[in-house]
Amino acid sequence: QKEVEQNSGPLSVPEGAIASLNCTYSDRGSQSFFWYRQYSGKSPELIMFIYSNGDKEDGRFTAQLNKASQYVSLLIRDSQPSDSATYLCAVEVGPGGGNKLTFGTGTQLKVEL
Amino acid sequence: DGGITQSPKYLFRKEGQNVTLSCEQNLNHDAMYWYRQDPGQGLRLIYYSQIVNDFQKGDIAEGYSVSREKKESFPLTVTSAQKNPTAFYLCASSIEGRGSNQPQHFGDGTRLSIL
Repeated sequence: QKEVEQNSGPLSVPEGAIASLNCTYSDRGSQSFFWYRQYSGKSPELIMFIYSNGDKEDGRFTAQLNKASQYVSLLIRDSQPSDSATYLCAVEVGPGGGNKLTFGTGTQLKVEL
Repeated sequence: DGGITQSPKYLFRKEGQNVTLSCEQNLNHDAMYWYRQDPGQGLRLIYYSQIVNDFQKGDIAEGYSVSREKKESFPLTVTSAQKNPTAFYLCASSIEGRGSNQPQHFGDGTRLSIL
């Protein structure tokens, strides 16, 4: 079982719709969760991070964390063509983290006009 | 401007050659990391350093070496022992977190190819 799993997609949504990206993780002791956006040929860019159960909102982005079910999701409201990218989920690993992250393989999002 | 600078942007390696990728940050971050990304795959950790003069192996350290002589700099050497070095190499840094992890921020990356 992979430590961090994401559906590779592509996930296609129409412009203006809500895009929902999901990530599951295997380490029940993980405490920190991150979402990165990566445009083709570019480096990852931090979008959101979340540490506590529940929702965290930042503009059009909402991160949702459910530690009991071991999943974290990213919602993008009012999706724009510029949101088309690969979204990487990253999870802290090991006791206390030690700043080590394990990345999923990413979900490709396509926002269509 | 504060940030992470990786150089060169593109690098070509000949058989049997060692090459060194540069990573410099002026964010005053304590921790620095090297990842490798292959097409269609996630990032895999090569080495990381949480403090000057100390570093640890990540998941795929074989064929690579690093040094951390200065807080700002964390160069990665891809040795001839790394038989499949073609990949996108990413350097990241973070404030040393206490308790929860602090976010890692990435440089623009170096693309390494075999000649």
